[in-house]
Amino acid sequence: DVKVTQSSRYLVKRTGEKVFLECVQDMDHENMFWYRQDPGLGLRLIYFSYDVKMKEKGDIPEGYSVSREKKERFSLILESASTNQTSMYLCASVEGLAGGWPETQYFGPGTRLLVL
Amino acid sequence: AQSVTQLDSQVPVFEEAPVELRCNYSSSVSVYLFWYVQYPNQGLQLLLKYLSGSTLVKGINGFEAEFNKSQTSFHLRKPSVHISDTAEYFCAVSRFVQGAQKLVFGQGTRLTINP
Repeated sequence: DVKVTQSSRYLVKRTGEKVFLECVQDMDHENMFWYRQDPGLGLRLIYFSYDVKMKEKGDIPEGYSVSREKKERFSLILESASTNQTSMYLCASVEGLAGGWPETQYFGPGTRLLVL
Repeated sequence: AQSVTQLDSQVPVFEEAPVELRCNYSSSVSVYLFWYVQYPNQGLQLLLKYLSGSTLVKGINGFEAEFNKSQTSFHLRKPSVHISDTAEYFCAVSRFVQGAQKLVFGQGTRLTINP
């Protein structure tokens, strides 16, 4: 089974702190994603990575950065946490294109971040 | 641009009753559609997906969905729900950017099963 793990289930941080959220997948997937989930808004894409050291902005990248130094690990960084970044953060991974058909994205359990 | 609208934010039903969760999409290109489920305190997992072929797609846990191109819909159905189906359900459409498959999600529908 594919496994996507996230370093923390719950985090409490103070405004202005630098926050690292870690995600690891064990299936050698090329593509990895960070989403945030808010009630009534569904999931919104923050950043994604299609290869090591490669990254692309998603729909809401402001206030975030990412790092992918190894294929299995994708980190989300909040440079200076703010209260409006209180949310559930979900990581996902998927294989690269397979004959052009979309593949299933596999999600981690999520990190619930509270910024005070 | 592709987008997804889930018409109901919450759907309460009684156990063993049928349920339909509605999803409409907009897309100007080939459409690939997904339904994901999120059980309490968990990540998302795939219920089913439509890529091509038969418009009726069967998924896990007795769910099915029908792709209707003329109505741009992909509604999720189950003939008889169980307490264990209590969860949030997300419809999504796929798009490719930089060779990576990106999902655009709807707002989610919270399904509550009452005994």
